[in-house]
This record gives sequence, C-alpha cells and structure tokens, in this order.
Amino acid sequence: DVKVTQSSRYLVKRTGEKVFLECVQDMDHENMFWYRQDPGLGLRLIYFSYDVKMKEKGDIPEGYSVSREKKERFSLILESASTNQTSMYLCASSLWGDYGYTFGSGTRLTVV
Amino acid sequence: KNEVEQSPQNLTAQEGEFITINCSYSVGISALHWLQQHPGGGIVSLFMLSSGKKKHGRLIATINIQEKHSSLHITASHPRDSAVYICATRTGNQFYFGTGTSLTVIP
Repeated sequence: DVKVTQSSRYLVKRTGEKVFLECVQDMDHENMFWYRQDPGLGLRLIYFSYDVKMKEKGDIPEGYSVSREKKERFSLILESASTNQTSMYLCASSLWGDYGYTFGSGTRLTVV
Repeated sequence: KNEVEQSPQNLTAQEGEFITINCSYSVGISALHWLQQHPGGGIVSLFMLSSGKKKHGRLIATINIQEKHSSLHITASHPRDSAVYICATRTGNQFYFGTGTSLTVIP
C-alpha cells in the first residue's frame, strides 16, 4: 500500500521557534508538495519539488523554506514560527502529472 | 490562476439520499480531481477526470469540459460518507483547490 507519512499528527510550538515538518513517501515519486489548509481558504500550495535538491515556490511561500536532500523526503521549515502559521499542513506526492497523486494525513500545527 | 468554486459549502442529508456536489472552474484544465477528507485530516483521491464520467461503487463523477463544470454524485448515501469533498484542477504543473463541501449524512 502506497504511503505518504508525515512525522507528527499534532504539534504545538512557541512563537519564534524553528519548526521542522517532515514528509516521507515510499512510492519513488518525483514530485512532492506542501500545502496548508485553513477554513474558508481551502488548500494553498506553499512549495513543491520536482526532483532532489529542486524546489519551486507555490502561492504562499513567505515565512517558509523547504529541503529535499533525498527523493523520498521533503521537509517544510518554519524559520521563526508565528501565530498566523497555525494551520493544518498537508504533504502530497505524485509521479509526473496527475499519476499517483497521494496525500499524507496532515499535521495540525498550533503556534502559541 | 484557476478559480475553483464548489457548491454547496455545507450539506446535510438523510441516509439513503442521492447527493450532488458541484464544481466550476474558470480556465481550461488538464485534469480535475475529486478528493475526500475525513475528520482528522487525511485526504484520499477519489477520481481523476479529463472527460466524461467515472464510477466507483456508489460514487459517480462527471465533467463537462465545454461548460467547465464537474459534479460528484453519491447514491444511497451513508453516514460513513460524512466528510469534506474537495474539487481540484490541474493546469500545467499547478493544482488549484476549491474550499470544499462539508457533507454530513444523518442516520
């Protein structure tokens, strides 16, 4: 069974902390994505990566960075967490185009 | 950018009812996805469509490319269908998501 695994289901962090959200896929997918989901706004793309060490900004990259050192792992980094980054974060992966598009189960991050 | 609109935003149905969720988008697309998100966050891809109609069990998805419109139908709805249903379009390498339809099916 194919899987996209996010390291934490729930996370509480303090304002100003550096936060790492990890995502691992076991499907040898080329593309990986990070989204945040907020009520009334739906899913918004933060960053995506189409290959190791490659990254592209999505719609809302400000305050975030990413790292993809290995094909199976895509990390989202909040350099200095702020309360407006409290959200549900979802990772996804896919082969080229739409094939095999798969989401992780999400990380609900609360910044206090 | 593709504007993806879903309706209704919220839907409550009695068990057994036939349910329709609609999705409209503003620009031409490569494909359209219907996604299901259960409470707790996990998202499952139900369908990917580029034309016509697909059926999987009690779920049916249709798309009209000319009208830029897609529908998701659930026949004989069941409480376990309660979830948020999200329409997403792909244009090039970019996905655009609707804000979701929250469905509650009452026994």
